[in-house]
Amino acid sequence: GAVVSQHPSRVICKSGTSVKIECRSLDFQATTMFWYRQFPKQSLMLMATSNEGSKATYEQGVEKDKFLINHASLTLSTLTVTSAHPEDSSFYICRKRGGMDTEAFFGQGTRLTVV
Amino acid sequence: GQNIDQPTEMTATEGAIVQINCTYQTSGFNGLFWYQQHAGEAPTFLSYNVLDGLEEKGRFSSFLSRSKGYSYLLLKELQMKDSASYLCAVKYAGNNRKLIWGLGTSLAVNP
Repeated sequence: GAVVSQHPSRVICKSGTSVKIECRSLDFQATTMFWYRQFPKQSLMLMATSNEGSKATYEQGVEKDKFLINHASLTLSTLTVTSAHPEDSSFYICRKRGGMDTEAFFGQGTRLTVV
Repeated sequence: GQNIDQPTEMTATEGAIVQINCTYQTSGFNGLFWYQQHAGEAPTFLSYNVLDGLEEKGRFSSFLSRSKGYSYLLLKELQMKDSASYLCAVKYAGNNRKLIWGLGTSLAVNP
């Protein structure tokens, strides 16, 4: 079964609104969650690393005020896309590091379309 | 840098064998992953190599040579459902557990 549950799988929103994406760890506690964005036919681009109980670490070029990450508990990390624009339309995926560090568990992904 | 290189596209025939190569920077290497990703879906884990040699899992095998900074994914008895993107990702020591991702190899399996 799924180790990381990500919701929603698809969302359509209007420009200027905000969208929250949740990733929930179903077995091992997730002290660290990685958030990725993937444009069509491109590879995964790491956006930020969220750590339980502390501020997220953002990759260069990613606006921290636009992509808000909250990791308040060991089982839940959220990404909020604020004031969304059509160029934010993408596939967003979370990943938590496996307990044995031999696998990396992905959420199911969220297809965001901003109209 | 920590560039991961893999071919952009490959084509193969159903029932055949295909090898997808991946090269990476060797300094600080701490493990290599292969993932399969179908369009519109999240990647699914295929294999993890940290020691030299071949790891076999059914129709899929993965090989690693740490000294050469080289890995390949071998897919045997290809099926149409194997048409997907195959992502190579490398873990480096001291990189806060981040994976460095290749751009992926889009494999098309033809009848």
